[in-house]
Amino acid sequence: GDSVTQMEGPVTLSEEAFLTINCTYTATGYPSLFWYVQYPGEGLQLLLKATKADDKGSNKGFEATYRKETTSFHLEKGSVQVSDSAVYFCALTVQGAQKLVFGQGTRLTINP
Amino acid sequence: GAGVSQSPSNKVTEKGKDVELRCDPISGHTALYWYRQSLGQGLEFLIYFQGNSAPDKSGLPSDRFSAERTGGSVSTLTIQRTQQEDSAVYLCASSLVSGTSGSYEQYFGPGTRLTVT
Repeated sequence: GDSVTQMEGPVTLSEEAFLTINCTYTATGYPSLFWYVQYPGEGLQLLLKATKADDKGSNKGFEATYRKETTSFHLEKGSVQVSDSAVYFCALTVQGAQKLVFGQGTRLTINP
Repeated sequence: GAGVSQSPSNKVTEKGKDVELRCDPISGHTALYWYRQSLGQGLEFLIYFQGNSAPDKSGLPSDRFSAERTGGSVSTLTIQRTQQEDSAVYLCASSLVSGTSGSYEQYFGPGTRLTVT
């Protein structure tokens, strides 16, 4: 079946550090890929997405590139801020199936 | 405009009781989804409604779970004879159009935290 695997957390970094959160997927069809973020006390919100191979999604300084050859969609940010502290979820949908399949989530804490 | 709203925000119930959770999607969104977020299972899909089509119930964990969507808008998730393992945050999401590409953004509500004692 379709699945998403994220690097295990929690991840703790200092402000201005470089961030990578790994995400790989298994899908029976051609998936669209997403990163969702859940800030403390808030609901899930879409951070970025990519719908075809080699697409790069970007938002708020975060980037992720859809790599079909490695079935990956790693999240990166060049310089993290304390306000980036949140739980990050990688997810996919497969054509013809509307549900989101989520990874287990990665808790990120940024220290000043 | 208004986002997805859910009620109640918190619900504590005794084992064996029935509960109803409500979701008000964004006006005009034709697709509505229920997910469950729990410590042991992460984020799981439960059920999906699209327009007048038959719902996709493939994620419902047992026949104690059911959901309906009235008038293509408000949805209610019902859990009968609740068990302690039903304790979780129940999330509702809606999207503008649920196309075959699967790339339409799903907007999530704040969730209902259910605790079964």
